[in-house]
Amino acid sequence: GENVEQHPSTLSVQEGDSAVIKCTYSDSASNYFPWYKQELGKRPQLIIDIRSNVGEKKDQRIAVTLNKTAKHFSLHITETQPEDSAVYFCAASMKTSYDKVIFGPGTSLSVIP
Amino acid sequence: NAGVTQTPKFQVLKTGQSMTLQCAQDMNHEYMSWYRQDPGMGLRLIHYSVGAGITDQGEVPNGYNVSRSTTEDFPLRLLSAAPSQTSVYFCASSYSVTGSYEQYFGPGTRLTVT
Repeated sequence: GENVEQHPSTLSVQEGDSAVIKCTYSDSASNYFPWYKQELGKRPQLIIDIRSNVGEKKDQRIAVTLNKTAKHFSLHITETQPEDSAVYFCAASMKTSYDKVIFGPGTSLSVIP
Repeated sequence: NAGVTQTPKFQVLKTGQSMTLQCAQDMNHEYMSWYRQDPGMGLRLIHYSVGAGITDQGEVPNGYNVSRSTTEDFPLRLLSAAPSQTSVYFCASSYSVTGSYEQYFGPGTRLTVT
C-alpha cells in the first residue's frame, strides 16, 4: 500500500524567511496530494492541494510543487509569520472510486518572531 | 451546518472494556474515515467508507470495527480496549465533487486506556 514520508520532522525559521517541507510517496498510482495544517489542540484543516496533472500550485504565500517522476512533492511557505506555527501534514491518495488518504508523519514548524 | 461532530470529547477506559466512538456529519458527504493520531506518527487511517453499507480497512484496522448504515453516521467500535489504543481519534468526511476532495475533520476524541 501507499507509504508517505515527510522531512524534516521539526523546522524553525525566523519570521519573514521561507519554509520548505518535503514529502515522498511510494505508490505511482497516487494522483492527489493535499497538505493539512494542525494548530495546537485543533483539528487538521486543508491549506492547499495538488492533482497529478499539475506541476505547481500557488495560493498567496503558499505553494506546492509535484514531481511525479521522482514521486515527491513539497510545500513552500514564503514570508513566514508567527501564525504559520503549526504541524503540517502531507498526504497522498488515489482518487478513483475510493477515498483512502494516507498521511505523512508531520512537520512541526516554529516561526520565531 | 454543524459539520463533523464527534462524541465523546474525552474518555477513559479500562483494559478489556468496549466502547463506541460516535461520528456524524450533516453535509451529505459520501466518504467518511477514522484516523488515530499519536505523537510523531501523524494521522493513521483505521477504517474508511465510500458510502452507506460500504466500509474498508485502512493502515491500522486491528482492534476496531466500523459500520455505515446511514450517510450521516460512521461509528467506530473498540472491541476490547488495550493501552496501545490510547490516542486521539479523528473522524473526517469528504465528497467527490470535481476539483475538491477536501476532508473535513471532527474535533477529535481523546481516549485513554489504563
